[in-house]
Amino acid sequence: AQSVTQLGSHVSVSEGALVLLRCNYSSSVPPYLFWYVQYPNQGLQLLLKYTTGATLVKGINGFEAEFKKSETSFHLTKPSAHMSDAAEYFCAVSDRGGYQKVTFGTGTKLQVIP
Amino acid sequence: GAVVSQHPSWVICKSGTSVKIECRSLDFQATTMFWYRQFPKQSLMLMATSNEGSKATYEQGVEKDKFLINHASLTLSTLTVTSAHPEDSSFYICSAPIMDRGSGYTFGSGTRLTVV
Repeated sequence: AQSVTQLGSHVSVSEGALVLLRCNYSSSVPPYLFWYVQYPNQGLQLLLKYTTGATLVKGINGFEAEFKKSETSFHLTKPSAHMSDAAEYFCAVSDRGGYQKVTFGTGTKLQVIP
Repeated sequence: GAVVSQHPSWVICKSGTSVKIECRSLDFQATTMFWYRQFPKQSLMLMATSNEGSKATYEQGVEKDKFLINHASLTLSTLTVTSAHPEDSSFYICSAPIMDRGSGYTFGSGTRLTVV
């Protein structure tokens, strides 16, 4: 079964500082990997996803993530945090192909300090 | 494109009553719909998977008689919480795969259910 671990339920960064949200997955074969953002009382918005090809994936709002098979990681980064980045971020994984169910991590709440 | 419209956004109901949540795919056909539940400060937990024209598949521990799922058309899936109790209060979110986007998934905006 797929599983995903997000290290740190809360992360605080200063505005303009680097954002690093950690995600590790457990899978026997490389899965599909996703990062989603959720604002209070809203659904989830896809930031980026890795399915195949280039391991460095660029997403919306300046975020990017790198798939590292050797480390089974898919950490999310952004060079410079903005106040509007404050939200909850979920790493997720699914099996390849077809309509596979998505398994979510426990989430990391990002706080941006002015 | 690939929008799922979820209604209502929030609902308050009395214990013992039933509540229906709708998810409509607006510009694509959703043959599959995933239903998730999210408790405060927790992650999303998959409740069930609905497929158009067939019975839903429920995850272990989810009461199928309590959480009725109907997926009668390619654009509409509904979740009905029957005989709701306060412990059913949660945030419910639907999600549909959008295969033409390379295994992406689009999410509804969620429904905040409060049972009093």
